[in-house]
Amino acid sequence: GAVVSQHPSWVICKSGTSVKIECRSLDFQATTMFWYRQFPKQSLMLMATSNEGSKATYEQGVEKDKFLINHASLTLSTLTVTSAHPEDSSFYICSGAGPGHEQYFGPGTRLTVT
Amino acid sequence: GNSVTQMEGPVTLSEEAFLTINCTYTATGYPSLFWYVQYPGEGLQLLLKATKADDKGSNKGFEATYRKETTSFHLEKGSVQVSDSAVYFCALSDSGGGADGLTFGKGTHLIIQP
Repeated sequence: GAVVSQHPSWVICKSGTSVKIECRSLDFQATTMFWYRQFPKQSLMLMATSNEGSKATYEQGVEKDKFLINHASLTLSTLTVTSAHPEDSSFYICSGAGPGHEQYFGPGTRLTVT
Repeated sequence: GNSVTQMEGPVTLSEEAFLTINCTYTATGYPSLFWYVQYPGEGLQLLLKATKADDKGSNKGFEATYRKETTSFHLEKGSVQVSDSAVYFCALSDSGGGADGLTFGKGTHLIIQP
């Protein structure tokens, strides 16, 4: 099956700094990528949808100036958490829509803000 | 808005037992329904799906039937194995699953004991 990678798998940063998370589709082109956030023992919540070459569409309640999404190529999307605070600590998961419109998920990135 | 409710875990069963994980949904229109599985340290993988009422999705011995009248998509397996231990997520999409983000349930942690 299609593979999606995320980097880093785990990151710790200090409050007020920014951190970038990469999502790559390794063996397929993803015209659409999705970013989700998962709190402990909670479901995955869709944050935004990004299409290659255009601006991301954010879900209601998600601050677009805080969570910057870039989808510059068909195999790479990035999520930058700007001016991170402890409440941004979470598990961030991306997915790419591959051939046949099935979504393929990355393994996730755990962000801890101290 | 859309929502998915699935039974809380963990669910602990003995090997070869019968498995049912309940999932009900709320959605406008006619969503597509999915079950995803997440093994430790890996990304979510599509287990099965159904795109219209009365469809039955099946894979690896797991089955789920799209029941519009009860808005349910319960996951079943006749004889579970230790290797089935994982977290299972029920999800829905307004489209086939590629164009729109998914709405997930909270996940059910399944533990199979030998």
